[in-house]
Amino acid sequence: EPEVTQTPSHQVTQMGQEVILRCVPISNHLYFYWYRQILGQKVEFLVSFYNNEISEKSEIFDDQFSVERPDGSNFTLKIRSTKLEDSAMYFCASSDRAANYGYTFGSGTRLTVV
Amino acid sequence: DQQVKQNSPSLSVQEGRISILNCDYTNSMFDYFLWYKKYPAEGPTFLISISSIKDKNEDGRFTVFLNKSAKHLSLHIVPSQPGDSAVYFCAASAVSGGSYIPTFGRGTSLIVHP
Repeated sequence: EPEVTQTPSHQVTQMGQEVILRCVPISNHLYFYWYRQILGQKVEFLVSFYNNEISEKSEIFDDQFSVERPDGSNFTLKIRSTKLEDSAMYFCASSDRAANYGYTFGSGTRLTVV
Repeated sequence: DQQVKQNSPSLSVQEGRISILNCDYTNSMFDYFLWYKKYPAEGPTFLISISSIKDKNEDGRFTVFLNKSAKHLSLHIVPSQPGDSAVYFCAASAVSGGSYIPTFGRGTSLIVHP
């Protein structure tokens, strides 16, 4: 069964450093998403991406965040200057249509900012 | 601002019995609802959905009920199996309002005892 692959599974970074979280969506999917889950809290929407541009973003997705699809297969989330409160599980997801039928999520990257 | 609320953080059920997971929402614009299941160290996986034009949707052992007047939905699992032990997320989106991006609840951890 096709999978969404995320790397690394766990990233530890120092406060103020830049991190790039990587995702390989399912190959024929056109819609891409990033979500995060802070420990013990709800899964929160960050951003959606379609046709090489951001289609929606939440209040969380401020200027320190950016997304890119650099080579037609990878989908990356960059956090420019990490803060302690960015520590969370980050999930990438993809779908082959505007997601009425549910996304396929990756296994997540646990980001720990120290 | 919790637009999607799962008020029970955990639920414990005996194998073979019914599991009922509840979800309440506040946004009357929500018209499409989804349940996701998440195992440890994996991303959420889509389980079942329901549109607001229905009040019930069934898929094998899983049934979702929607009570629009009460802004309440529930997921029934019958019979429950130990492999159903996971975190269940309720999600809702306002599709007719133009957004397919679901808003998630905090999740309910289901434990099914053999």
